[in-house]
Amino acid sequence: QVQLQESGPGLVKPSETLSLTCTVTGDSISSYYWTWIRQPPGKGLEWIGHIFNSVTPDYNPSLKSRVTISVDSSKNQFSLKLTSVTAADTAVYYCARRVVAATNWFDPWGQGTLVIVSS
Amino acid sequence: DIQMTQSPSSLSASVGDRVTITCRASQSINTYLNWYQQRPGKAPQLLIYAVSNLKSGVPSRFSGSGSRADFTLTISSLQPEDLATYYCQQSYRTPRTFGQGTKVEI
Repeated sequence: QVQLQESGPGLVKPSETLSLTCTVTGDSISSYYWTWIRQPPGKGLEWIGHIFNSVTPDYNPSLKSRVTISVDSSKNQFSLKLTSVTAADTAVYYCARRVVAATNWFDPWGQGTLVIVSS
Repeated sequence: DIQMTQSPSSLSASVGDRVTITCRASQSINTYLNWYQQRPGKAPQLLIYAVSNLKSGVPSRFSGSGSRADFTLTISSLQPEDLATYYCQQSYRTPRTFGQGTKVEI
């Protein structure tokens, strides 16, 4: 059974870079798309982007200039980098697998990690 | 971007009640519509994919229907463990977008 676990600093200073890693167990990272989604406290869900192997990732246009998603197949991990963060980037960040069949959906999700942007 | 609009934003119902949540897309998304359940303090979990397909293990009291731009999530007999926020999500176009959520209180 595939499981995902986010890791990374819980506190990032304004203007710095947020870096998170998602470790995938129970499945090969090479077989699926992998996704980052975030949720500001008390608010809804925002799709950040996804990646398949080392194919050019797809990003949310609202974040595209600041986001990089990459895969490390040797560690079965994928990562998120978000540059020039502000308080608006404070959120719980989730990683998830994107399942592609006749349509596509996100399943499963990691437990999420809260990142606070503050000096 | 495709806008997803859910209604109501919140509802309160009793155990055993039939609950209906609607989700409207700003354009036709065919069957590219998924539902997620987020219990308090937890990560979202897939409930229904492709409009009406229950994820394995999801109770049969949950069902989904709809087409093109209008969709419905129904809980046929509300249970205490259904306390959660429910989100619809379109997987038709990038960027993937979610509804604002419907909070279900018991």
